[in-house]
Amino acid sequence: SQQGEEDPQALSIQEGENATMNCSYKTSINNLQWYRQNSGRGLVHLILIRSNEREKHSGRLRVTLDTSKKSSSLLITASRAADTASYFCATVDSGGYQKVTFGTGTKLQVIP
Amino acid sequence: EPEVTQTPSHQVTQMGQEVILRCVPISNHLYFYWYRQILGQKVEFLVSFYNNEISEKSEIFDDQFSVERPDGSNFTLKIRSTKLEDSAMYFCASSEDLQQQQFFGPGTRLTVL
Repeated sequence: SQQGEEDPQALSIQEGENATMNCSYKTSINNLQWYRQNSGRGLVHLILIRSNEREKHSGRLRVTLDTSKKSSSLLITASRAADTASYFCATVDSGGYQKVTFGTGTKLQVIP
Repeated sequence: EPEVTQTPSHQVTQMGQEVILRCVPISNHLYFYWYRQILGQKVEFLVSFYNNEISEKSEIFDDQFSVERPDGSNFTLKIRSTKLEDSAMYFCASSEDLQQQQFFGPGTRLTVL
């Protein structure tokens, strides 16, 4: 598997439901980040979680990190139609110059 | 809130032509990056730049590519002789230091005909 593989590849839910996306990676990381991208548009940084953190919250977002399993999850609670976008996890390896390695993304559709 | 800006938002060019994509990173940032995203694919790292030199580059960043910080504010990506497969969205990013998040610009969509 590649660094930063998201699961599922696509997710369709009703407005108000929670959305959970998972990410697995292969290397030793300094931090893991989640980004959102609306179709054909720029990258919006959502949240960064460092390797020594296990959980982080930001508004309706909750991110967990399990470095022993090399996995992370992004939970969006009480989803809205405006949350419809692609979500990418991205890792920064420990050491080096901090290039961000992006995953393949989860396409989330929130149906009003 | 400070942000990374990129110009142009869309560039159309003929195969074989040179293009220069421009970025203005956040003013107090010291680390600069270029990424690209081919339509429908994931974002890929191209190059990182610090202290006026390339600090890391990917396999994609071959001799056709170069980066420059010509003055105190701009950071440019030059593609010497564009190919059809260079068509992609190119993102610039900057960060204050190695421990902080990278801030991404809105991207330049490059179309090579």
